[in-house]
Amino acid sequence: DIQMTQSPSSLSASVGDRVTITCRASQSISSYLNWYQQKPGKAPKLLIYAASSLQSGVPSRFSGSGSGTDLTLTISSLQPEDFATYYCQQSYNTPRTFGGGTKVEIK
Amino acid sequence: QVQLVESGGGVVQPGRSLRLSCAASGFTFSSYGMHWVRQAPGKGLEWVALIWYDGNDKYYTDSVKGRFTISRDNSKNTLYLQMNSLRAEDTAVYYCATDGPPQDYGGSYPLDYWGQGTLVTVSS
Repeated sequence: DIQMTQSPSSLSASVGDRVTITCRASQSISSYLNWYQQKPGKAPKLLIYAASSLQSGVPSRFSGSGSGTDLTLTISSLQPEDFATYYCQQSYNTPRTFGGGTKVEIK
Repeated sequence: QVQLVESGGGVVQPGRSLRLSCAASGFTFSSYGMHWVRQAPGKGLEWVALIWYDGNDKYYTDSVKGRFTISRDNSKNTLYLQMNSLRAEDTAVYYCATDGPPQDYGGSYPLDYWGQGTLVTVSS
């Protein structure tokens, strides 16, 4: 099974900050990597698919990059509504494993 | 619009069974693969199972193999998860989600639509 390791597991940031979250796969997953945002008590929401493509309706301050084993999610200017937990997930093969999550908190 | 509504959760004793349902609407259910994903209280997301659009292929995470069965009834637009021999560690919110078709998502297979989840608590 492919293991997905996210870092950091949590971070504190201020509105307007640039935030970067890293996802490392235990083997190459090419660009089969998706990012989700989850707010407390809500279902996850797809943000980015295929490593770098923005889901329809998602603000352009979100971006994804990388391929192979090291991929990143960047929020260029953190907004109040972005405080949430973010998960990566590989769709290279089954089981479709998720990373452990990164909780973005207000500093 | 796409709607996924899970039901069937509740409190169950260890070793007992429970069947979850996910009613789908707003899209052609029979054309999409479907997933179950769970989230234990205060924990991260865990992928559980996937079934292809026609029900012919099924995949499971190791911890539920032999105990859980994913199935679907395309005539009823409904996805199921039969959970047997339940354990305390199966306690979680269970979400159903659609498998995004690769032609729409650059060859990737994201989980593009999610239900609101149903809570399963395994406790004596």
